[in-house]
Amino acid sequence: DGGITQSPKYLFRKEGQNVTLSCEQNLNHDAMYWYRQDPGQGLRLIYYSQIVNDFQKGDIAEGYSVSREKKESFPLTVTSAQKNPTAFYLCASSSGQFYGYTFGSGTRLTVV
Amino acid sequence: DQQVKQNSPSLSVQEGRISILNCDYTNSMFDYFLWYKKYPAEGPTFLISISSIKDKNEDGRFTVFLNKSAKHLSLHIVPSQPGDSAVYFCAASDGSARQLTFGSGTQLTVLP
Repeated sequence: DGGITQSPKYLFRKEGQNVTLSCEQNLNHDAMYWYRQDPGQGLRLIYYSQIVNDFQKGDIAEGYSVSREKKESFPLTVTSAQKNPTAFYLCASSSGQFYGYTFGSGTRLTVV
Repeated sequence: DQQVKQNSPSLSVQEGRISILNCDYTNSMFDYFLWYKKYPAEGPTFLISISSIKDKNEDGRFTVFLNKSAKHLSLHIVPSQPGDSAVYFCAASDGSARQLTFGSGTQLTVLP
């Protein structure tokens, strides 16, 4: 079955630590995206990538980093520079031919 | 500045009645609009879309209306069912950017 997988579902991080969220898709989609959801604020774009080895900053990229070494994978690192990392993180992919996204089930990150 | 706005954070309707969710946008370059449905701790799933060349698109119980002159779209759900209780996000694309801009979402609660 084709789909997009995010792991882990829940993640706890101590202050000052970096943490990497995984996102893998087997839909053969070119474009991948990372969003952050906070209560009452909807979905805000962190980073996106339209082809392998290329990515662009979204609206709230500060404190985050990404890589796109393979078409299937787009991991997101939440660095210690991100001041308020506790949130629900969503990864999505798109073929680009149809402007809809397929989303993963999300990772809830909590800083303890 | 939010380019896609959902001004009602929540909406409650009785089972069997009509649910109307509203969305306004400011960017006149948007040419494709989508609605996503999201359950807690899950990723959003695509519901219905509409191109700017149309003013209505229907899929079963779901109908989306687009008023370009008012920069307004709405999602009608008839009849509403308890399983429709979820957060609904409006999203828009200007095509060239190959990105979606999301609203902040509306929590729909359908009461049995």
